Amino acid sequence: AQSVAQPEDQVNVAEGNPLTVKCTYSVSGNPYLFWYVQYPNRGLQFLLKYITGDNLVKGSYGFEAEFNKSQTSFHLKKPSALVSDSALYFCAVRDIRTGGFKTIFGAGTRLFVKA
Amino acid sequence: EADIYQTPRYLVIGTGKKITLECSQTMGHDKMYWYQQDPGMELHLIHYSYGVNSTEKGDLSSESTVSRIRTEHFPLTLESARPSHTSQYLCASSEKTGANTGELFFGEGSRLTVL
Repeated sequence: AQSVAQPEDQVNVAEGNPLTVKCTYSVSGNPYLFWYVQYPNRGLQFLLKYITGDNLVKGSYGFEAEFNKSQTSFHLKKPSALVSDSALYFCAVRDIRTGGFKTIFGAGTRLFVKA
Repeated sequence: EADIYQTPRYLVIGTGKKITLECSQTMGHDKMYWYQQDPGMELHLIHYSYGVNSTEKGDLSSESTVSRIRTEHFPLTLESARPSHTSQYLCASSEKTGANTGELFFGEGSRLTVL
């Protein structure tokens, strides 16, 4: 079955430190992977995606993610965290069994960046 | 900012009332979606549409209904609201016909409270 897992409910980092939000996936065929961010009382915003090509994907607000096929992971990273990065982060995969019409989301990871 | 709009942003109503949550997008996307987001953060797909006159039920059973008479408009209706319908409802859209690898564009959400 197509699925994504975010093993951490919450991640705490100090401002200026690197951050990592973890995601692992289980898909049939080539994975189409995404990261989204949600600020309080807002909808989700797209950060970055991996479809094919370079394993290191760069996205909005200085975020990047590394696709690792052998470990079936797609961890979100940022070299230096900002307090304003505090939000809810979702990893997602397009479900190609349905022709890509559905997106399956992980349970979300809440990131707290402390000043 | 994505060109997808939801109204109302917040709605408090009594049990038994009929409500319609509006969703419109100006990007010419063919695919549109409704997600229900629990207080515990998880997103559940409740309806989606491939295009005009197409609607499908998602992975989470919902008593709501949707319609897609125009490309840009994808309203969700509850005929008789109950407290169990209290939730955040997120509308999204993606792609014109052809590609199924793109990201979702989300509205700001409609937070429904049924008393």
